[in-house]
Amino acid sequence: DVKVTQSSRYLVKRTGEKVFLECVQDMDHENMFWYRQDPGLGLRLIYFSYDVKMKEKGDIPEGYSVSREKKERFSLILESASTNQTSMYLCASSFGPERYEQYFGPGTRLTVT
Amino acid sequence: AQTVTQSQPEMSVQEAETVTLSCTYDTSESDYYLFWYKQPPSRQMILVIRQEAYKQQNATENRFSVNFQKAAKSFSLKISDSQLGDAAMYFCAYTYNNNDMRFGAGTRLTVKP
Repeated sequence: DVKVTQSSRYLVKRTGEKVFLECVQDMDHENMFWYRQDPGLGLRLIYFSYDVKMKEKGDIPEGYSVSREKKERFSLILESASTNQTSMYLCASSFGPERYEQYFGPGTRLTVT
Repeated sequence: AQTVTQSQPEMSVQEAETVTLSCTYDTSESDYYLFWYKQPPSRQMILVIRQEAYKQQNATENRFSVNFQKAAKSFSLKISDSQLGDAAMYFCAYTYNNNDMRFGAGTRLTVKP
């Protein structure tokens, strides 16, 4: 079974703090993704990575950055957390060409106060 | 831009009955993939079923089946013999490449005993 894990299920941070969310997958997937999930908006792509050290912006990259130093690990960084970044963050991964289904982690519910 | 629309924010079904969740999408591509994902309360999002656009036959997975109408750009999910464990948020998703999956806003399904 594909396993995608995220470093925290719940996180509470203060405005202005630097926040790191980590995601690890154990199936040698090429692609990894960070989404933000908000009620009524579905999932919105923040960033994705198709290879080590490679990244592409998604629909809502503002206020976020990412890092992929190893194939299995993809980190999302909030440089200076703000209250409007309070949300559920989902990490996902997929094999690559011709295998488009994504496998998701359990999510991190981040609250910024 | 590709968009995915789920017009039913909430649905309910009696246990053992059948329910159909609706999804429409907009695309100019001819080859693409469609998915239904299930997100139980406080649990991980999992893939329910997938459909390749080039296949005319509707996909089925046990009690889950789809009605794929390519010309109408419609992709509905039918759940037969509903069970309490089917209660969840259901997301319809579309992609035509590896890196850009679009999700609907979700439908919350309640199963009544």
